[in-house]
Amino acid sequence: KAGVTQTPRYLIKTRGQQVTLSCSPISGHRSVSWYQQTPGQGLQFLFEYFSETQRNKGNFPGRFSGRQFSNSRSEMNVSTLELGDSALYLCASSLPRLAGGRRQETQYFGPGTRLLVL
Amino acid sequence: AQKITQTQPGMFVQEKEAVTLDCTYDTSDQSYGLFWYKQPSSGEMIFLIYQGSYDEQNATEGRYSLNFQKARKSANLVISASQLGDSAMYFCAYLIQGAQKLVFGQGTRLTINP
Repeated sequence: KAGVTQTPRYLIKTRGQQVTLSCSPISGHRSVSWYQQTPGQGLQFLFEYFSETQRNKGNFPGRFSGRQFSNSRSEMNVSTLELGDSALYLCASSLPRLAGGRRQETQYFGPGTRLLVL
Repeated sequence: AQKITQTQPGMFVQEKEAVTLDCTYDTSDQSYGLFWYKQPSSGEMIFLIYQGSYDEQNATEGRYSLNFQKARKSANLVISASQLGDSAMYFCAYLIQGAQKLVFGQGTRLTINP
């Protein structure tokens, strides 16, 4: 089964521009989560989508948005880019399962998109 | 709020030795999940092992095992017989149940020396 894919892998933008990143989850996975990774802040949760609905959101400004399509593919958009938005953006997909009678939901990550804002 | 602490910024280990990476967490939740991920220089986060808060046995996956001590709120990763390919960043993460949100520690950079 193919893993999580993210496009593009690398991106260079200038301040003020906007960018759209794409994530295709593992087949059958309906939950997609996005994370930002920077040297200073580490890994931070952006948002999570399930069945085309944003279920959870992290503490990021409104410039960060996302959506999910009916095939579970997800996109995130960052408008009015700032230098501090330079980061590795990771997408993860998951599918809940029962293990030992309890719900387990492991997130599997894609290779990430490295965004550099100049 | 939940917090994950990894106190070892870097570790150096000889090939074939066992290594323990520390992770402690702070939570008042009763039900939660703990994960370890490996991140090579390529950037991809690779899932290694999972431990549920109600699991009575420590999780094992091949050369990886998780030393789960619930009362001490620790979830240390043990890698047996380390290999050169184990050199990477390792992250401990806490899953907030129902929120599908992982809270990550700051990571430990593991270097395996030949």
